[in-house]
Amino acid sequence: DTGVSQNPRHKITKRGQNVTFRCDPISEHNRLYWYRQTLGQGPEFLTYFQNEAQLEKSRLLSDRFSAERPKGSFSTLEIQRTEQGDSAMYLCASSSPDRGRDTQYFGPGTRLTVL
Amino acid sequence: GENVEQHPSTLSVQEGDSAVIKCTYSDSASNYFPWYKQELGKGPQLIIDIRSNVGEKKDQRIAVTLNKTAKHFSLHITETQPEDSAVYFCAASPYNNNDMRFGAGTRLTVKP
Repeated sequence: DTGVSQNPRHKITKRGQNVTFRCDPISEHNRLYWYRQTLGQGPEFLTYFQNEAQLEKSRLLSDRFSAERPKGSFSTLEIQRTEQGDSAMYLCASSSPDRGRDTQYFGPGTRLTVL
Repeated sequence: GENVEQHPSTLSVQEGDSAVIKCTYSDSASNYFPWYKQELGKGPQLIIDIRSNVGEKKDQRIAVTLNKTAKHFSLHITETQPEDSAVYFCAASPYNNNDMRFGAGTRLTVKP
């Protein structure tokens, strides 16, 4: 396993712009999760996929946020009309409950700064 | 929903001493309790986890204890080393693990 990868690692954007992040999970992991982490806090759950199906979304995921996992492999998280309050680290994790341990493995995150 | 509280928020120990971090949770349906270590600029890395059918688990210098009746669990690090310095997060999750809730984190500093 090469681990969970996320791109880009850093993104600086102006308020009102759209941004998209990508997450590549550990191969054959059928679950994929998105979290948001602000400074000094633990990760907050946003949404998760089992294969290509988005099964749960947090109330934190406003209408400006959309996540996809079209082929059940990589996932994208798009934020439309970014606001300064969206500045945070966006973390992706993957897991494989089929292997008996549903441990979530995290990627390095994408740090978003909205000016 | 689940609410996880973690204490202390900062902890400073001398190299070789032990460190203990405590967490409480609110949802009795939670049955999976991982601990993550996060270094600057990196994502959280799992260091140990415990499930509700076990009261204690140990892995070398790291141990976790769980008290389901009191809804609290703790991380114990013995013989601390400077490389243990990081932010540690506890988390709690229900059986299907689709809504893991994290504590606010503990910044551990191990002084050489």
